[in-house]
Amino acid sequence: DGGITQSPKYLFRKEGQNVTLSCEQNLNHDAMYWYRQDPGQGLRLIYYSQIVNDFQKGDIAEGYSVSREKKESFPLTVTSAQKNPTAFYLCASSRGTPLETQYFGPGTRLLVL
Amino acid sequence: DQQVKQNSPSLSVQEGRISILNCDYTNSMFDYFLWYKKYPAEGPTFLISISSIKDKNEDGRFTVFLNKSAKHLSLHIVPSQPGDSAVYFCAASDRYQLIWGAGTKLIIKP
Repeated sequence: DGGITQSPKYLFRKEGQNVTLSCEQNLNHDAMYWYRQDPGQGLRLIYYSQIVNDFQKGDIAEGYSVSREKKESFPLTVTSAQKNPTAFYLCASSRGTPLETQYFGPGTRLLVL
Repeated sequence: DQQVKQNSPSLSVQEGRISILNCDYTNSMFDYFLWYKKYPAEGPTFLISISSIKDKNEDGRFTVFLNKSAKHLSLHIVPSQPGDSAVYFCAASDRYQLIWGAGTKLIIKP
């Protein structure tokens, strides 16, 4: 049963804390993406990776970091430098370029305590 | 500066009637457009797409129309069903990334 999993579903962050959101896919897709969704706005690209050990910044990468050590995994770290982290975070994957259909995980909602 | 705009935050339609969701874009370099559907607490799922070389693409109850001169596309759902109640996102591609609209919440009334 192929798909994308994200964990946790809800995450709470304290001031000054780094937190890591997990994203795993078993679709054998080369490309993976992280988006942020805020109320009343479209999805905004944080980072994307088209191949293992390579990734590029999206429009709103400041305060975030990623790694792509395995094809299946693309974790996102929200660092303390991200001053407004409260949002819904979506991970997606596609076979290759953004023109390919992107498949999304169920999302992680991050809240600041 | 929003390059992809969905100006209606919500739309209410009677079951069985036609739902029309609209999307405008500003960048003439966009050459591929997609619609995604999203239920609460789930990720978006791909619905239908259209290349800029076409002006219409149909898939069952869903039809997307593209008017390049007006930089406008629309999604038609006929007939509308209760399961169509969701948020619909329009997205445009410039070959490097997808630019997303803010979404339109469609409510199908029984």
